[in-house]
Amino acid sequence: EILMTQSPATLSVSPGERATLSCRASQSVSSDLAWYQQKPGQAPRLLIYGASTRATDISARFSGSGSGTEFTLTISSLQSEDFAVYYCQQYNNWPPLTFGGGTKVEIK
Amino acid sequence: EVQLLESGGGLAQPGGSLRLSCAASGFTFSSYAMSWVRQAPGKGLEWVSTISGSGVTTYYADSVKGRFTFSRDNSKNTLYLQMNSLRAEDTAVYYCAKDGAYDHFFQHWGQGTLVTVSS
Repeated sequence: EILMTQSPATLSVSPGERATLSCRASQSVSSDLAWYQQKPGQAPRLLIYGASTRATDISARFSGSGSGTEFTLTISSLQSEDFAVYYCQQYNNWPPLTFGGGTKVEIK
Repeated sequence: EVQLLESGGGLAQPGGSLRLSCAASGFTFSSYAMSWVRQAPGKGLEWVSTISGSGVTTYYADSVKGRFTFSRDNSKNTLYLQMNSLRAEDTAVYYCAKDGAYDHFFQHWGQGTLVTVSS
């Protein structure tokens, strides 16, 4: 089973600032990595797949990078609607499909 | 517009059963693998199960293998998750999700249905 580790657990950022979230896989997942955003009381929403491809209707503020075992989600200029929990997920080697534990982006 | 609507959640006793349904619309249902993902209260996301577009092949997390059965009716555009021998640790919001066209990320999600296992 591939273990996904996200850091930090909580990120405090001021509106307008850049946020950088990390996701590490316990073994290579190539570029088979997705990012999701989840707001309180809502279902997750796909942001990024293939490590760097934005999903439909996702703002260009969101960008993904990395391959192998190290991945980054960058939010270029945080807007109020971006404060949420973010999860990474690998789909290279499964079952099981595995998620990271999440990073909560909160207002500083 | 893709829509996924779960139903069937509720309160079950330990050792009991529940069947979840997920009605899908807005896409060619039989062309896509579909999945269930759950989220325990205050916790992260956990993959539960995936079914192929034809329904022939299913995959399960070890935590539910042998207790849960995932099926689909492509004539009704509906998924089913039969959950037996329920445990307290199965308490979660259960989301159905549409997989990507060729890969197993989760492109669209339902709103979720809460399953509570408690005596």
